Amino acid sequence: GAGVSQSPSNKVTEKGKDVELRCDPISGHTALYWYRQSLGQGLEFLIYFQGNSAPDKSGLPSDRFSAERTGGSVSTLTIQRTQQEDSAVYLCASSKGLAGGKFFGPGTRLTVL
Amino acid sequence: EDQVTQSPEALRLQEGESSSLNCSYTVSGLRGLFWYRQDPGKGPEFLFTLYSAGEEKEKERLKATLTKKESFLHITAPKPEDSATYLCAVQAIRTGNQFYFGTGTSLTVIP
Repeated sequence: GAGVSQSPSNKVTEKGKDVELRCDPISGHTALYWYRQSLGQGLEFLIYFQGNSAPDKSGLPSDRFSAERTGGSVSTLTIQRTQQEDSAVYLCASSKGLAGGKFFGPGTRLTVL
Repeated sequence: EDQVTQSPEALRLQEGESSSLNCSYTVSGLRGLFWYRQDPGKGPEFLFTLYSAGEEKEKERLKATLTKKESFLHITAPKPEDSATYLCAVQAIRTGNQFYFGTGTSLTVIP
């Protein structure tokens, strides 16, 4: 597609449930990133995929968070046993490589009740 | 510690009133500095990348400049459609892929 797409755009869940967020990067972009944006806070890095290399998971806040990228394209961010503090906008971005600007998707707004 | 600070937090301008947004950074080895625009409910939209001190980039009413310690986003004769939050991010050579984002400047341009 022309840009990064994410689904769903909004997700409301109950505390303790698992959620899956999806990201479709720009075709041909080898690098894919997940960020979290909370109200009044800067973007928080979560995880980075580059080609077939092992992902950089250093930003994941806890072991409840995991992500995978299948076939070097689509990525799924999974949050298990969601907590209220997980409520935020989850943004996905892709780029052609390590250098250069990242292109962001519209985000998924997650609300944990 | 790598850090990015943006100022002011919020800025209100009359249409046509030029101004500048500031992004101060401390990073051990800058790979690149990036400016983004973010509209409410949307993901950040890429504007510019600057790589070295003295570099300048322009796009319509926006011009970004870079020194060794800070970057400015100059807005010339802004229009109401320029209203958005402007985000600055730095990429350090040491940390490779990670970008450090500031908390942004919320710009409102009043007709």
